[in-house]
Amino acid sequence: DAKTTQPPSMDCAEGRAANLPCNHSTISGNEYVYWYRQIHSQGPQYIIHGLKNNETNEMASLIITEDRKSSTLILPHATLRDTAVYYCISLGTGFQKLVFGTGTRLLVSP
Amino acid sequence: GAVVSQHPSWVICKSGTSVKIECRSLDFQATTMFWYRQFPKQSLMLMATSNEGSKATYEQGVEKDKFLINHASLTLSTLTVTSAHPEDSSFYICSAVFAGTGGHGELFFGEGSRLTVL
Repeated sequence: DAKTTQPPSMDCAEGRAANLPCNHSTISGNEYVYWYRQIHSQGPQYIIHGLKNNETNEMASLIITEDRKSSTLILPHATLRDTAVYYCISLGTGFQKLVFGTGTRLLVSP
Repeated sequence: GAVVSQHPSWVICKSGTSVKIECRSLDFQATTMFWYRQFPKQSLMLMATSNEGSKATYEQGVEKDKFLINHASLTLSTLTVTSAHPEDSSFYICSAVFAGTGGHGELFFGEGSRLTVL
């Protein structure tokens, strides 16, 4: 079973920030939080990952709560091309048992 | 980022035939690769973990004689769907672990292979 829970869908207006939440209340100390997204009929695309500090890259920012039980992926200026299913995954070392949950289907509208 | 390539990207075959899907890590070595299948509007389901030089580890409910996995080199894993039937029609995706130059590493996915069994 997936160890993370996400809302099934979210809507966002083009140009606005998209904030995608993820609960991982059973995450262990050595597990990282990874975010991937999957555009229709393509393989998942890596977005970002973090352990306990907030992270930022050219695609997104990742905010992890201090207790590490939840996190938020932020797309600062969503575009139509960001429409996809976003998956939050907790992973330990060695990428053992990589299990995907149902993800959040983000729809960015004009 | 690292590149994982799958071939073919789509294939149509007759029921009863076998189909081989290749997964290659193009610019890095991957001792571990994963195979997933995905049905329409559903999430990815892990089928098996492929380890270079050893037998694959299959998830519960996945028939190892049906889905043959070979990971003969550090850059290639293959999934063979034997005696395919229409219910095997699905989107098959592989991924490979990129250890990188430090840190936790990353997991990269192939583009997926869509199998249609007539």
